[in-house]
Amino acid sequence: GENVEQHPSTLSVQEGDSAVIKCTYSDSASNYFPWYKQELGKRPQLIIDIRSNVGEKKDQRIAVTLNKTAKHFSLHITETQPEDSAVYFCAASIPGSARQLTFGSGTQLTVLP
Amino acid sequence: GAGVSQTPSNKVTEKGKYVELRCDPISGHTALYWYRQSLGQGPEFLIYFQGTGAADDSGLPNDRFFAVRPEGSVSTLKIQRTERGDSAVYLCASSTRGQGSTNTGELFFGEGSRLTVL
Repeated sequence: GENVEQHPSTLSVQEGDSAVIKCTYSDSASNYFPWYKQELGKRPQLIIDIRSNVGEKKDQRIAVTLNKTAKHFSLHITETQPEDSAVYFCAASIPGSARQLTFGSGTQLTVLP
Repeated sequence: GAGVSQTPSNKVTEKGKYVELRCDPISGHTALYWYRQSLGQGPEFLIYFQGTGAADDSGLPNDRFFAVRPEGSVSTLKIQRTERGDSAVYLCASSTRGQGSTNTGELFFGEGSRLTVL
């Protein structure tokens, strides 16, 4: 089955700086890679996703890049703000897989004011 | 409501007791998932329903865990003879797309049910 590794487990940045979180996956058949943000005690919420037919996707201050050859993908947050502080999870999905998503172990991002 | 609703939000029980956790998905979503999230970890797949049937229950840890979705909407996760290791947040998610879809749909999560087994 799919295995997703995520690092770092914790990340602290100064407000205004950029943050990068990286994930690797094991199954080359995976074709969908979402990122979820989970604030303390809240539900995970999708913030951006990318499919395997593109290498990069951007939405305002967040972007995701995908390297299919190396089987890794990354989340980039620019101009970080205190409200970006949360746990971020990457995930991967194999087409036709009923498991839908295999998640990484999460990155606790803290943006220091 | 507009989102996935889960009840109870918190459940404290004693070892050996029986527990039911309820999930009310977004109206019209045919796919429903249960995940378990332990402290400091990502959600871990338990079971997936497409309509009324459990299409994949391979994530259930053992036969003490069971889930139903009799009318293709609300689902109940049932845990028998609870153990301290069952303590976690149980997340339900729903989606418009599921198994066999060529384009994976976004999962919409509920707030979760926090289970504590004493």
